[in-house]
Amino acid sequence: DAGVTQSPTHLIKTRGQQVTLRCSPKSGHDTVSWYQQALGQGPQFIFQYYEEEERQRGNFPDRFSGHQFPNYSSELNVNALLLGDSALYLCASQQGSSYNEQFFGPGTRLTVL
Amino acid sequence: AQSVTQLDSHVSVSEGTPVLLRCNYSSSYSPSLFWYVQHPNKGLQLLLKYTSAATLVKGINGFEAEFKKSETSFHLTKPSAHMSDAAEYFCVVSDRFGGYNKLIFGAGTRLAVHP
Repeated sequence: DAGVTQSPTHLIKTRGQQVTLRCSPKSGHDTVSWYQQALGQGPQFIFQYYEEEERQRGNFPDRFSGHQFPNYSSELNVNALLLGDSALYLCASQQGSSYNEQFFGPGTRLTVL
Repeated sequence: AQSVTQLDSHVSVSEGTPVLLRCNYSSSYSPSLFWYVQHPNKGLQLLLKYTSAATLVKGINGFEAEFKKSETSFHLTKPSAHMSDAAEYFCVVSDRFGGYNKLIFGAGTRLAVHP
């Protein structure tokens, strides 16, 4: 049983560019959350998707957007990249309710030059 | 609002000695609390979770944590450290909204284990 997978593993972009990160949830999971982990810090919640809709959003600007597909996979898009967007982006999946554990993928390391 | 504070950014122990990683929480309702571990270049792995059942929670790899409501603490312990325990550890509280949840992470504690 494959766990949560993310692609790509690493990505280098320049300021002002746009980037798309991808996540496939663990089998049987229908809810996907995205987190940003800056160097030396704990992960910060970006948003969560369920049934192709954004449920809640953390304190991130509109440059960060997402999408969930009918097969529950998800994308994170970041427009107009800033140097401060350099971070490890983590995807987590869970099955349904708020009491279920979130399983994390290995992350995508984004470097903005 | 839910929050967690990890009291030590770095902890260093010798192999075979006990491990104590400290965490205090703030919650307006009975919290769900977790400890996650992150090894270099690897994803986050759940060590254990507390969801209002037994206050002493046993996790993987010999780790355990005790929920103390009076002290608003959820410290992680292990009787005997192993070299493979060296990693970053995060104390986490679940913030529930409607029927959903998001995880709120502490800043992390880096555990070093020396021979």
